[in-house]
Amino acid sequence: KAGVTQTPRYLIKTRGQQVTLSCSPISGHRSVSWYQQTPGQGLQFLFEYFSETQRNKGNFPGRFSGRQFSNSRSEMNVSTLELGDSALYLCASSWDSEKLFFGSGTQLSVL
Amino acid sequence: EDQVTQSPEALRLQEGESSSLNCSYTVSGLRGLFWYRQDPGKGPEFLFTLYSAGEEKEKERLKATLTKKESFLHITAPKPEDSATYLCAVVRGAQKLVFGQGTRLTINP
Repeated sequence: KAGVTQTPRYLIKTRGQQVTLSCSPISGHRSVSWYQQTPGQGLQFLFEYFSETQRNKGNFPGRFSGRQFSNSRSEMNVSTLELGDSALYLCASSWDSEKLFFGSGTQLSVL
Repeated sequence: EDQVTQSPEALRLQEGESSSLNCSYTVSGLRGLFWYRQDPGKGPEFLFTLYSAGEEKEKERLKATLTKKESFLHITAPKPEDSATYLCAVVRGAQKLVFGQGTRLTINP
């Protein structure tokens, strides 16, 4: 069974730009969550989607948004990038929203 | 506010030297506590879920235990391949995981 796939693996952007990250969950998993990981703050919850609906949202500004498609694939978008958005963005899929299977992440660098 | 605190931040052991990692939490209505392992450049890998005080789970050289206030991850006779960052997380009614900062474990041969 294929694992969670995230693309791209690395991304370099400049301040003010926007970025879209993609996540393909494990087949059969309908829940997709996104996390931001930084050395200072650790893993922080961004949002969760289940059957194309946002079910939970973390404490991040509105510049961070996401969506889920009918095939459970998900994208997250960050608009007007700031230096502090540099982080590893992790996508996780699950059957029950609790036991998460993580992808390898997208390493975003904002210059 | 839900809080998860892991200690120590970093731990260096010799191969075969057993030890324990701690995860203390303050959360009302705990639904589950999770342990993950994360290798450099990779996403966290699920290890265990614990649901109630007194519960224990084992996998190879790892054993996780849970009390009402904390969880321990015991590592018995570790090997260099056990080197990783170990993350603890809790979930309650909101169905989102709250992670601790992790313990970076290094096992020297």
